[in-house]
Amino acid sequence: GAVVSQHPSWVICKSGTSVKIECRSLDFQATTMFWYRQFPKQSLMLMATSNEGSKATYEQGVEKDKFLINHASLTLSTLTVTSAHPEDSSFYICSARPFFGVEKTQYFGPGTRLLVL
Amino acid sequence: AQKITQTQPGMFVQEKEAVTLDCTYDTSDQSYGLFWYKQPSSGEMIFLIYQGSYDEQNATEGRYSLNFQKARKSANLVISASQLGDSAMYFCAMREGQSNAGNMLTFGGGTRLMVKP
Repeated sequence: GAVVSQHPSWVICKSGTSVKIECRSLDFQATTMFWYRQFPKQSLMLMATSNEGSKATYEQGVEKDKFLINHASLTLSTLTVTSAHPEDSSFYICSARPFFGVEKTQYFGPGTRLLVL
Repeated sequence: AQKITQTQPGMFVQEKEAVTLDCTYDTSDQSYGLFWYKQPSSGEMIFLIYQGSYDEQNATEGRYSLNFQKARKSANLVISASQLGDSAMYFCAMREGQSNAGNMLTFGGGTRLMVKP
């Protein structure tokens, strides 16, 4: 149980393109989903917290107009990188917190590698 | 100040031996949670073990145990009987506040563990 999927797993795109990444909780409902970014050999950095039906909360330094987050249902959140540039190339990981129970952890998706040429 | 500090960027351990990965944390909250995740080269984040700040016993999960020293604010991960498949990045993380709140995780910089045959 507690499986989170991400799609796509790999994206290569031209500069200026917008890229959408989906994060789905497959066997549980998640009121809260998180989006992280990880550069090579570095730790995960939280970009934003996404609550179903409300606007995402962005961490300091993350441009909300560049990284659009939509959490339309209890099982799906999307991150859209608008007008991507090479510096946006990174590994993007989402995680989800289950809705019920005293859940102690977030469950992570397998990540999406984005390369902007 | 760093909230989560992992002082060992890289470590080697001989197969079948035990290894301790260090983690210290900084918080003024009374209620918090500490987590360890494993990240193999594929990039997925695998949840290993959790310790709540009010848990009196050290957490154990199979070959993983968490050496929780609250007064020292340390939460070291001990892996017993290392296996080649344990080679990966290991991240310590903390959630501040009550467990049912939508609080984010803060990650340490990670430790790369390499198991030698």
